[in-house]
Amino acid sequence: DQQVKQNSPSLSVQEGRISILNCDYTNSMFDYFLWYKKYPAEGPTFLISISSIKDKNEDGRFTVFLNKSAKHLSLHIVPSQPGDSAVYFCAASRNTGANSKLTFGKGITLSVRP
Amino acid sequence: DTAVSQTPKYLVTQMGNDKSIKCEQNLGHDTMYWYKQDSKKFLKIMFSYNNKELIINETVPNRFSPKSPDKAHLNLHINSLELGDSAVYFCASSQTGRNQPQHFGDGTRLSIL
Repeated sequence: DQQVKQNSPSLSVQEGRISILNCDYTNSMFDYFLWYKKYPAEGPTFLISISSIKDKNEDGRFTVFLNKSAKHLSLHIVPSQPGDSAVYFCAASRNTGANSKLTFGKGITLSVRP
Repeated sequence: DTAVSQTPKYLVTQMGNDKSIKCEQNLGHDTMYWYKQDSKKFLKIMFSYNNKELIINETVPNRFSPKSPDKAHLNLHINSLELGDSAVYFCASSQTGRNQPQHFGDGTRLSIL
């Protein structure tokens, strides 16, 4: 049962333009969401997160938007740079006590063309 | 000054063998994790330890046994390897507490012949 879905396997954008990566979830108990970035042969690295009490969080070129009613979040990268080319994973967690368990989507491959 | 390091990076072995993967973190974190990324690319939690105590144990065959000798190390031992165990295994660590970002190692690619 796929609780976090990243339905588009890949996205290609021109350098300088906006990249929009989408993520949907089915479990209404999720209350914290994260985006991770992964280069080939490396582990995922944390990028940005958002709590369910917010609808937007911004960090430099990266902004995450959360639409709880639609169970949808998106990551905006603007302007996109060639170094942003990587696999982006959406992850979600719910309150299970002191430690959280992350549920990941299968990732979106972003290619930024120079 | 690698934060989360796993060894080996690649592991090729035959069905039925027993193998171990080691993980160490130098971030001072109290919580460590093992994830499996299968052929469909999903990253799934297997185990989590907090201060050497097991706190998350997903539905994983008991051929997989994690061991945490101290809070900076979490090793994964796999007995009687099967073809379906072929995957990339990632170790991660975080501070204790909800919503602490997890820091991942570079993964161990396990291939079963």
